[in-house]
Amino acid sequence: AQKITQTQPGMFVQEKEAVTLDCTYDTSDPSYGLFWYKQPSSGEMIFLIYQGSYDQQNATEGRYSLNFQKARKSANLVISASQLGDSAMYFCAMRERTVTGGGNKLTFGTGTQLKVEL
Amino acid sequence: NAGVMQNPRHLVRRRGQEARLRCSPMKGHSHVYWYRQLPEEGLKFMVYLQKENIIDESGMPKERFSAEFPKEGPSILRIQQVVRGDSAAYFCASSNDISNQPQHFGDGTRLSIL
Repeated sequence: AQKITQTQPGMFVQEKEAVTLDCTYDTSDPSYGLFWYKQPSSGEMIFLIYQGSYDQQNATEGRYSLNFQKARKSANLVISASQLGDSAMYFCAMRERTVTGGGNKLTFGTGTQLKVEL
Repeated sequence: NAGVMQNPRHLVRRRGQEARLRCSPMKGHSHVYWYRQLPEEGLKFMVYLQKENIIDESGMPKERFSAEFPKEGPSILRIQQVVRGDSAAYFCASSNDISNQPQHFGDGTRLSIL
């Protein structure tokens, strides 16, 4: 069963506008974490923002904020005031315990390609 | 980036050769994770190691792939007798032992098989 779902393969946004990238997840573990990463065309994975399942407030990091709706199991990324440099692939990921319970691994969604236009 | 060092950045091998990918974790991190990204896909977990121990290799192919994280030196992902299907980007991530810390990724190694 797919644990992380990103339903938007591609999104367009105009420069300076806000955009929301969707992510839903599925887990039975009460303790989990949700991450967003940016992958530009150069290929590196850039950590953007993290939300813990017990965090009371939505995470924010500069122009990035995470709209965490625990009951709906969604963790959407909001990028405000889009810039041309925001054009990239964006991945949502969930931290889950390894089979031994001794560590954590990330399960990734299939990604959303964001294109910022003038 | 967050200080995880991977090399080489690009690696070309012919079918049947061996590929060795290296990863030095971020300073102070003792947990290393390897992921593979096939073209047009997200990253898939392969293996999780701590110093001198493989903790979880549930994502590793059963044959030809191995990983180690020795007491001294970088973590190594080794692929023997490479085939075209091994062409992918291989990412290493590291974290400390606090479970809610984000995993910091290296820039990846792009492996191309001729």
